[in-house]
Amino acid sequence: GNSVTQMEGPVTLSEEAFLTINCTYTATGYPSLFWYVQYPGEGLQLLLKATKADDKGSNKGFEATYRKETTSFHLEKGSVQVSDSAVYFCALKQTTNDYKLSFGAGTTVTVRA
Amino acid sequence: EADIYQTPRYLVIGTGKKITLECSQTMGHDKMYWYQQDPGMELHLIHYSYGVNSTEKGDLSSESTVSRIRTEHFPLTLESARPSHTSQYLCASMAANYGYTFGSGTRLTVV
Repeated sequence: GNSVTQMEGPVTLSEEAFLTINCTYTATGYPSLFWYVQYPGEGLQLLLKATKADDKGSNKGFEATYRKETTSFHLEKGSVQVSDSAVYFCALKQTTNDYKLSFGAGTTVTVRA
Repeated sequence: EADIYQTPRYLVIGTGKKITLECSQTMGHDKMYWYQQDPGMELHLIHYSYGVNSTEKGDLSSESTVSRIRTEHFPLTLESARPSHTSQYLCASMAANYGYTFGSGTRLTVV
């Protein structure tokens, strides 16, 4: 079956530091991959996505590249801000006949001023 | 700009009460989902629906029930709330080849 493994948290960083959150997946075929962000007290928001190998998703300074050869979709941001403090979820969706996302366990990121 | 709405945002209720958590979306999506989540923790799928009159149980066993009488509406009901039901409940819907759109969630506390 499908599964997503995320780097365990919590992660604590200083402002302007570089952030990487590792995500690897197990799936058949060519799934679509997503990163969601959840700010305190809120639901999840789509941060970025990639639908095929070598695609790079980007949004709000965050980037992730779909690596088929390493089955990975690591999230990166070059210079974090306090406002980036949140929980980040990696997720995948099989392309055919499966309409449920498989989520990782989430990684809590805290950015200190 | 949310197109999926959950009410109430917060609910504190006594043990044994019946409650219904509302979820509505204006995007015309056929596919809708309910997740249970302790704050900041893993998401657990408890119910989903792929269209009107279609409902299925998710991966996590839940004492709640759902209905899907209209495309836009997917309410979740607990017949008799217990403290173990205290959690955050997230509703989501899905467009064809995109991911989910989530509501803001309902934070339920059963005392």
